[in-house]
Amino acid sequence: DAKTTQPNSMESNEEEPVHLPCNHSTISGTDYIHWYRQLPSQGPEYVIHGLTSNVNNRMASLAIAEDRKSSTLILHRATLRDAAVYYCILSRPYSGGGADGLTFGKGTHLIIQP
Amino acid sequence: GAGVSQSPSNKVTEKGKDVELRCDPISGHTALYWYRQSLGQGLEFLIYFQGNSAPDKSGLPSDRFSAERTGGSVSTLTIQRTQQEDSAVYLCASSADRYNEQFFGPGTRLTVL
Repeated sequence: DAKTTQPNSMESNEEEPVHLPCNHSTISGTDYIHWYRQLPSQGPEYVIHGLTSNVNNRMASLAIAEDRKSSTLILHRATLRDAAVYYCILSRPYSGGGADGLTFGKGTHLIIQP
Repeated sequence: GAGVSQSPSNKVTEKGKDVELRCDPISGHTALYWYRQSLGQGLEFLIYFQGNSAPDKSGLPSDRFSAERTGGSVSTLTIQRTQQEDSAVYLCASSADRYNEQFFGPGTRLTVL
């Protein structure tokens, strides 16, 4: 499976934008890029996903490089509630009978300073 | 609406005992996943159910682990003869189908003494 690389941790100030990078240089043409986040003592929650084009939703934006070897999750205005571990994950819509479970790495621990 | 629920929220057991963990997925979701998360680690995929198809068990770490899903809804993860290394948070997720976002439950924290 294609793997992702993320910084272990990042720090940002409240009410400022946050850009969380993810490298996935071995991504295949059918891999979707998913982002989930996990708040302390909770299960992960879906944030956003995309294939080739940039995506926006109420939580965040996803900017995907033209060669798809990297992507950036953008939180436009961070709040203290955004402090969490953010996971960048590649997933194929059909893996020929193989595991459809998401492969979570260690993610980026985002710290928000008030 | 109701999300994914799991029970118990915490389970403490002695080494060698069997445990059962329960997951109630979101109603109507055909896909159900089990993961585990050891302290300070990312999530490890265990098993996946899709509709009435045979489950994908490729992530189960040993034959002491098994899971079933009755009636396409509730799922039970069973760990036999528990070991201390089984201590972790066990997370269940469901999805409308294999292509959609996964909704996670709050997890069951298992401690094996």
